[in-house]
Amino acid sequence: DTGVSQDPRHKITKRGQNVTFRCDPISEHNRLYWYRQTLGQGPEFLTYFQNEAQLEKSRLLSDRFSAERPKGSFSTLEIQRTEQGDSAMYLCASRVEGVDYNEQFFGPGTRLTVL
Amino acid sequence: RKEVEQDPGPFNVPEGATVAFNCTYSNSASQSFFWYRQDCRKEPKLLMSVYSSGNEDGRFTAQLNRASQYISLLIRDSKLSDSATYLCVVNKSGGSYIPTFGRGTSLIVHP
Repeated sequence: DTGVSQDPRHKITKRGQNVTFRCDPISEHNRLYWYRQTLGQGPEFLTYFQNEAQLEKSRLLSDRFSAERPKGSFSTLEIQRTEQGDSAMYLCASRVEGVDYNEQFFGPGTRLTVL
Repeated sequence: RKEVEQDPGPFNVPEGATVAFNCTYSNSASQSFFWYRQDCRKEPKLLMSVYSSGNEDGRFTAQLNRASQYISLLIRDSKLSDSATYLCVVNKSGGSYIPTFGRGTSLIVHP
């Protein structure tokens, strides 16, 4: 399978715990994006990488959130001291940089539930 | 005002109907536009890009009106399998390419 993969697909945690999600993009894609989606809303941009460089972060991203893409391949998104409001679907997407109309491919998402 | 606005619907139409969705965007510097489709509890997938001249793909037609800052999606001869949420996506220029998604419009096609 050469698509975007995410792990885990589901995560249930207690408030205050830390969680980490992983995204493996399509191998030749140099851009990687993280989004958060809640019920009835479209995906909200969180952050993106070009290769290993994190180029932009949303103002939505509190300091409890951190993302890395250490070797320009897979990426991790960590949420520290989770809150109930963090419950959402976390989507990863990748694309090839260069042309504005290059398609963005999404992974299946990680559904986080904070109890 | 949100950057990208869509009527959430749902639009409930019979098979064979023609249905149209609109999406407005606030940033006049926006450069590229898309419609994505998202099935229930699945990831979004690209349906079609929206070019300045408008474009058609089978039963689907997308149009862009830069002066009024809206894009549209027309679906002809609706099928049951068209039932999904349709997300409008707008991207600013300048190389950063950060897509902004609308909240989506829900379509339900019934027999």
